[in-house]
Amino acid sequence: GDSVTQMEGPVTLSEEAFLTINCTYTATGYPSLFWYVQYPGEGLQLLLKATKADDKGSNKGFEATYRKETTSFHLEKGSVQVSDSAVYFCALGPRGSTLGRLYFGRGTQLTVWP
Amino acid sequence: KAGVTQTPRYLIKTRGQQVTLSCSPISGHRSVSWYQQTPGQGLQFLFEYFSETQRNKGNFPGRFSGRQFSNSRSEMNVSTLELGDSALYLCASSLEREMNTEAFFGQGTRLTVV
Repeated sequence: GDSVTQMEGPVTLSEEAFLTINCTYTATGYPSLFWYVQYPGEGLQLLLKATKADDKGSNKGFEATYRKETTSFHLEKGSVQVSDSAVYFCALGPRGSTLGRLYFGRGTQLTVWP
Repeated sequence: KAGVTQTPRYLIKTRGQQVTLSCSPISGHRSVSWYQQTPGQGLQFLFEYFSETQRNKGNFPGRFSGRQFSNSRSEMNVSTLELGDSALYLCASSLEREMNTEAFFGQGTRLTVV
């Protein structure tokens, strides 16, 4: 079945460091891929998305490229800030079967120190 | 434009009781999904409704149920509460039923069962 595997955290970085959070997926067909972010005490916010192979999603300095050949959607940011501290979730939205749901990874806690 | 609204934000119940949680989607959105978030299991899909019909259900016992009204507002109900039902319950709405469109999440209802 469809699933998402996300690198385990927590990840601790200094401000201005480079961030990579790995995400790989298993799916039938051609899913859409998402990164969501959750700040303490909040729900999930969509950070970026990609709907087809080779698409690059970007937002707030974060980027992720839909790689069909490696079934990956790694999240990157060139220079993190303290305000980026949050939990990041990789998610897959199946298409075709129109299940109307998302499959989430386990989440990666990011802490950025000044 | 108002976001997804979940009420109440916090709830404390006793084992054996039942509880009803409410979700008002973004205006015009017809798909509403529910997720349970716990530290141990992460984000787990409960069910999805589209135009008042449950189209998909996750692997939860029958104690968990839901419905959607003609105005797209949704409720979920948990009967005979157990300690393990303590979790953050998140509702998401989207414009279309395909998951290549964005899902917008509410802030969640934090349920504590004592």
